[in-house]
Amino acid sequence: AQSVAQPEDQVNVAEGNPLTVKCTYSVSGNPYLFWYVQYPNRGLQFLLKYITGDNLVKGSYGFEAEFNKSQTSFHLKKPSALVSDSALYFCAALNTGFQKLVFGTGTRLLVSP
Amino acid sequence: GAGVSQSPRYKVTKRGQDVALRCDPISGHVSLYWYRQALGQGPEFLTYFNYEAQQDKSGLPNDRFSAERPEGSISTLTIQRTEQRDSAMYRCASSLSGSRPGELFFGEGSRLTVL
Repeated sequence: AQSVAQPEDQVNVAEGNPLTVKCTYSVSGNPYLFWYVQYPNRGLQFLLKYITGDNLVKGSYGFEAEFNKSQTSFHLKKPSALVSDSALYFCAALNTGFQKLVFGTGTRLLVSP
Repeated sequence: GAGVSQSPRYKVTKRGQDVALRCDPISGHVSLYWYRQALGQGPEFLTYFNYEAQQDKSGLPNDRFSAERPEGSISTLTIQRTEQRDSAMYRCASSLSGSRPGELFFGEGSRLTVL
């Protein structure tokens, strides 16, 4: 069965510094991996996905994620953090039937001015 | 509307009561999903529909939970004889057909509190 782990409950970073939010996965077959963001009192929003191809995928709001097959990781990155990036971030994997997203427990990102 | 709409946004009920949570997906979206999110956890899959057909209900915890989407648009998640452990955020999401698997549009959720 697919599973996703986000080892950090919270990540703190200063504005302007690069940020990384970690995710590791355990899936059977080729992984379909996703990042979603949740702002306070809002629904989850799709950020980016990896299906196949380049290991570095780019998404919304300047975020990108690096797929590493050997390390079974899919870390979310951004070169320069903004205070407005502060939110809850979820990594997810799609099941082999391509209909169920399996989410990690989430990582709270706090960007300080 | 432009997005996925869920109602009520907040529901407080007493143990043993039935509750119905409603989801109005984005117009034209074929697939509709229900997830449940406990505090401090990620969303967990409950069930999903393509049009009016319930394709998978393997995530429903027990037979007190049911969902329907009779006309292929609005969906209702019903919890009968609620228990305190049912307290959670219930999230609905919709998507176009399978051309973009995993890209879901979520509503703001319905927070259920069972006293």
